[in-house]
Order: sequence, then structure tokens, then C-alpha cells
Amino acid sequence: EAQVTQNPRYLITVTGKKLTVTCSQNMNHEYMSWYRQDPGLGLRQIYYSMNVEVTDKGDVPEGYKVSRKEKRNFPLILESPSPNQTSLYFCASSYGGGTEAFFGQGTRLTVV
Amino acid sequence: DAKTTQPPSMDCAEGRAANLPCNHSTISGNEYVYWYRQIHSQGPQYIIHGLKNNETNEMASLIITEDRKSSTLILPHATLRDTAVYYCIVRLTTSGTYKYIFGTGTRLKVLA
Repeated sequence: EAQVTQNPRYLITVTGKKLTVTCSQNMNHEYMSWYRQDPGLGLRQIYYSMNVEVTDKGDVPEGYKVSRKEKRNFPLILESPSPNQTSLYFCASSYGGGTEAFFGQGTRLTVV
Repeated sequence: DAKTTQPPSMDCAEGRAANLPCNHSTISGNEYVYWYRQIHSQGPQYIIHGLKNNETNEMASLIITEDRKSSTLILPHATLRDTAVYYCIVRLTTSGTYKYIFGTGTRLKVLA
């Protein structure tokens, strides 16, 4: 089954403790991206990747890092999480940037 | 950057057509219009996309005005399961890369 898998689905952590949210897709898609969703603000793009070793900033990249060492994986790294990064995060992938995107089920992160 | 404007909410009777409008007055000639929907806090689901011609698939129809400054998503026979937030998105292309800008969407409630 074609899918985008994020882990964990829920995470509560403390300020400053590094964390990684994993994202994996099984569709051999080139394009992957991360979004955060906050009430009243819709989805905002954090980072995206056009292919392996090619990443670029989205609209709200501050406080986040990403890597794309393999085509299927696109982890989101928070080196020093802060409470304003409490949000619902989505990973998405598509064959190309302009084609149908498949979204993961989301990761609800709480930073206390 | 081209942005979209959608009404914050709409109601539709079950079995009737739901017509969801979107304004994208600053869209440029090579930017596509995409529609996604999000049910509760699940990952957004692709519905349809188009450039200048009207499009139809098994889920919906997309009507784009001749000047491309606005579009309408039509769900021909809305069901209760169509209750969701619907996002109209313009896909930006800058130097060969792609970027989606999500607005806050339209919350569609289908009434029994």
C-alpha cells in the first residue's frame, strides 16, 4: 500500500531536548516536504527536498533541520525545541513537486 | 507570491452540490491551482488540480475562470463524509523548485 509514515504520532518533550521526527515513503517519490499546522494559520511549509541531498527552506524553517540521505526518508530534526514549536506536523511526498502529494498521518508535538 | 482567498466556512445540504470558491487574483501563467481537503486532523488528501481548463475526476470538478483569477471546486453530490476543511493552493515554481502555499481553507459542513 502506498503510504507516507511518520513517527512518532504523538510526542511530549521538554525544552531543549533534541528530537527527530521520522518520515518514510514507499512510492519512490523524489519530492518530500514538511509542514506545520497551527490553529488559524493553516499549513505552513518548513522545508522541502527535490531529491537526495537537495533540500531548501520553506516559509518557516527557523529552529528546524532536515536531511535527505536516502530517497525514501526525510527526517525533521529539532535541535533545541522550544514551546513555540508545539504544533501538528505533516510530512508529504510526491513524484515531482507539481504532482499529487501524499501526506502522512501527522505528528502532534508538545514542547513544555 | 500568489496567495489564495477562501471563505472561512460553508454549509451544504446532503445530496446537493457543494460549490467552494477560491480567489487567486495574482496567479501567474504557469502556476497550477490545487485542491486538498483535511478531515479532522488527518493528513490532507489530494482532490484535483488544474492550470486553465476545467477538470473533472471521480471526486470533484474544478472550474477555473478564463482570466484564471478565481476557481470553484464542485462536489456534485455532497455526503456527510465530505465534511472537512478544503484548501485551495497555488503551486509556485521558482528556479525549477516547487512550493505550496496553503491558506486557512474553507470549513465545509454537510448537513443531514
